[in-house]
Amino acid sequence: QKEVEQNSGPLSVPEGAIASLNCTYSDRVSQSFFWYRQYSGKSPELIMSIYSNGDKEDGRFTAQLNKASQYVSLLIRDSQPSDSATYLCAVRGDFNKFYFGSGTKLNVKP
Amino acid sequence: DTGVSQDPRHKITKRGQNVTFRCDPISEHNRLYWYRQTLGQGPEFLTYFQNEAQLEKSRLLSDRFSAERPKGSFSTLEIQRTEQGDSAMYLCASSPSRDRAPSGNTIYFGEGSWLTVV
Repeated sequence: QKEVEQNSGPLSVPEGAIASLNCTYSDRVSQSFFWYRQYSGKSPELIMSIYSNGDKEDGRFTAQLNKASQYVSLLIRDSQPSDSATYLCAVRGDFNKFYFGSGTKLNVKP
Repeated sequence: DTGVSQDPRHKITKRGQNVTFRCDPISEHNRLYWYRQTLGQGPEFLTYFQNEAQLEKSRLLSDRFSAERPKGSFSTLEIQRTEQGDSAMYLCASSPSRDRAPSGNTIYFGEGSWLTVV
């Protein structure tokens, strides 16, 4: 069983600030990592995937991966109130089975 | 693609009753997954199908739970003799095999089926 750990939050940031979300995982052989956003009462939706060490940018989102430290992060620049949601970190295992953390709740204050 | 669809979206049932959820995956996705999510937790893997074959079941899936995918298309998840602890959102997801599509590296969730056992 792959363990994925996240701080449950809530993380509160003012509108326009950078939100930083962190995740650690237990299985050193894990190769693929994902960030999902989940609004209250809705299903998770994929934001980003990252497979290589370093940074990957997509619009206001940047995913960072450090396999040596078993650490994944998500930065949201210019945070908007619409970014308020729970962010789930996931690790992919065999046959596309995904293992999720418990999520970090983000509140962006106008 | 019309996306993964689940039915019903909401179900309230009395303890001890049986419930069944249906999932229609994205067409031509041969992999189908069921997850369960309770409040404040991330989705937990329940079971996985490759075409019509159920290849893995989590230990979370007690004997009261059964899942089928008879023709390798839609899937059903049945819970018998429901208990209050079964109250959760049941998520279905699908994906192509990785070797069949570049997008095979991820899974696509349906909107979920909420179960409340009273």
